[in-house]
Amino acid sequence: AQSVTQLDSQVPVFEEAPVELRCNYSSSVSVYLFWYVQYPNQGLQLLLKYLSGSTLVKGINGFEAEFNKSQTSFHLRKPSVHISDTAEYFCAVSDQRGGGNKLTFGTGTQLKVEL
Amino acid sequence: EAQVTQNPRYLITVTGKKLTVTCSQNMNHEYMSWYRQDPGLGLRQIYYSMNVEVTDKGDVPEGYKVSRKEKRNFPLILESPSPNQTSLYFCASRTRTGGASDTEAFFGQGTRLTVV
Repeated sequence: AQSVTQLDSQVPVFEEAPVELRCNYSSSVSVYLFWYVQYPNQGLQLLLKYLSGSTLVKGINGFEAEFNKSQTSFHLRKPSVHISDTAEYFCAVSDQRGGGNKLTFGTGTQLKVEL
Repeated sequence: EAQVTQNPRYLITVTGKKLTVTCSQNMNHEYMSWYRQDPGLGLRQIYYSMNVEVTDKGDVPEGYKVSRKEKRNFPLILESPSPNQTSLYFCASRTRTGGASDTEAFFGQGTRLTVV
């Protein structure tokens, strides 16, 4: 079984400032890692994912995340945020063994970008 | 346009009145799932399907039913809704590569259900 922890339920930040959204996971097997974004009144869409290889993953809208196996973390970062980045962000994991259809989500982090 | 379509977007109903939320995808995906989103709890999987006529329980299946008679459709059925099923529901689909667990999930716009 897997679990995902997003310790920050809300993160306020000023426009053009950098931001980091934290994600830690727990699993007895190897996992794939994802970040999804949910804009107001919309469904979730994929920001980026880590499958293997380079631990620094770049996604859409200038976001990137770094996989740290020893710390079981997959923190999301953006060097300079924009008002349009205001949304809820979800970290998720799935079992690498495959054959399944389960994404385990964290509880989400609400990013609020202020002028 | 590739999409997952849920209907209705908003629904208010009374306790015990059977309802169905429809979900349809046009990407020929094998895998489909239903999630509920509640404040402070994130998204939790209700049921999933790995192909036509193949469905299984997720983490919170009590009070829900699903069916997968066609590849594109995966309706969620609440036979006797109760107030604790008031939530935001999402349908999602994924393609099946070698294992599917590494593929992107495509989500519908969500259905906000209120049971009074």
